[in-house]
Amino acid sequence: AQKVTQAQTEISVVEKEDVTLDCVYETRDTTYYLFWYKQPPSGELVFLIRRNSFDEQNEISGRYSWNFQKSTSSFNFTITASQVVDSAVYFCALSEMYSGGGADGLTFGKGTHLIIQP
Amino acid sequence: DTAVSQTPKYLVTQMGNDKSIKCEQNLGHDTMYWYKQDSKKFLKIMFSYNNKELIINETVPNRFSPKSPDKAHLNLHINSLELGDSAVYFCASSFANRVGEKLFFGSGTQLSVL
Repeated sequence: AQKVTQAQTEISVVEKEDVTLDCVYETRDTTYYLFWYKQPPSGELVFLIRRNSFDEQNEISGRYSWNFQKSTSSFNFTITASQVVDSAVYFCALSEMYSGGGADGLTFGKGTHLIIQP
Repeated sequence: DTAVSQTPKYLVTQMGNDKSIKCEQNLGHDTMYWYKQDSKKFLKIMFSYNNKELIINETVPNRFSPKSPDKAHLNLHINSLELGDSAVYFCASSFANRVGEKLFFGSGTQLSVL
């Protein structure tokens, strides 16, 4: 089973629409972190947000907002008033304890390709 | 100043060749990683090193050999390249080998095996 599921492979919206990218995760750890990264067409991976498992407060940063709900194991990402520059692949990722006792880096979802049409 | 730099950016080679990808970070981080992104954009960890010691080796063929001469460098050597090795390889680093550490990624190396 996937540890991080991004069920939406591709989303296409018209500029200025709001769009929500879904992320569902699976872990047995009580301490874990969730991330969102953006990969624009240029290919680099850009960090957007990190949230730990003990902080369920929603976060807003400009047009971006994140809704973390432990009850449903979800960490969804909403872009308000989308712009063409938001077009990218967005990855949700999980950081949890590795079996060896350290951290195993990030486990990524398969990504959601967001297309914002002018 | 580039925080995590990897070279080359593009690598085109024939099947059976041996090639290396270099990665350097100037962030003073202790932990470095190699990720592979396949043609469907799926990102999967290959290796992680903490202070030059191998921490994670995810079921990667032994044709792939990471080498960390010091904690600022993690190079990836690939022997006997196969068509299926074509992908984008990302180097990354983090401050420590701890849960929740933010990863800083290089810009990727696009490997094409012909």
